Amino acid sequence: GENVEQHPSTLSVQEGDSAVIKCTYSDSASNYFPWYKQELGKRPQLIIDIRSNVGEKKDQRIAVTLNKTAKHFSLHITETQPEDSAVYFCAAINPGGFKTIFGAGTRLFVKA
Amino acid sequence: NAGVTQTPKFQVLKTGQSMTLQCAQDMNHNSMYWYRQDPGMGLRLIYYSASEGTTDKGEVPNGYNVSRLNKREFSLRLESAAPSQTSVYFCASGVGGSIPYEQYFGPGTRLTVT
Repeated sequence: GENVEQHPSTLSVQEGDSAVIKCTYSDSASNYFPWYKQELGKRPQLIIDIRSNVGEKKDQRIAVTLNKTAKHFSLHITETQPEDSAVYFCAAINPGGFKTIFGAGTRLFVKA
Repeated sequence: NAGVTQTPKFQVLKTGQSMTLQCAQDMNHNSMYWYRQDPGMGLRLIYYSASEGTTDKGEVPNGYNVSRLNKREFSLRLESAAPSQTSVYFCASGVGGSIPYEQYFGPGTRLTVT
């Protein structure tokens, strides 16, 4: 079946450093790639997304890049802060927009 | 505007018992989803409803049934609970349609089956 691989599973950085999380998807028809942040005991919430007709998108300290040829997309967080500590999930969605495949998640620790 | 709500928040069942998880949204969304979240496995889609009156299987539908009661409500039923169904269940809703957009998640239901 279709899948999304996400790496690393755990990432620890010093406050102020950058963090990069990578995902690879298998369904070449996927055209929408959201990233969700989930704090401990809370619901997942969208932080940024990108569509297949765009190579890069930025929102303040967060950016996402997409390489359609390689079926690979990445989340970049710059100037990390302790409140960035959470689990981050990538996802891939195909046209029709219903069958969402999530990565297994990356637990990010930002040390003050 | 409450967004997506789920009941109950916590539930403990014995093997073989049945129960229904309730979900409602007040954002006038067309599509609704049920996911389960297990440690180290992310979110896996159980069932979804693209629009009122339709439901379809996701990745892991075995052991579950759903009902899209109306545009606002989408319930998930476990007919005969098994320990393997111990998980956190999230309901979500989205605008729907041919162009995908973000999904809005409910607060989750933590289910334990003993």
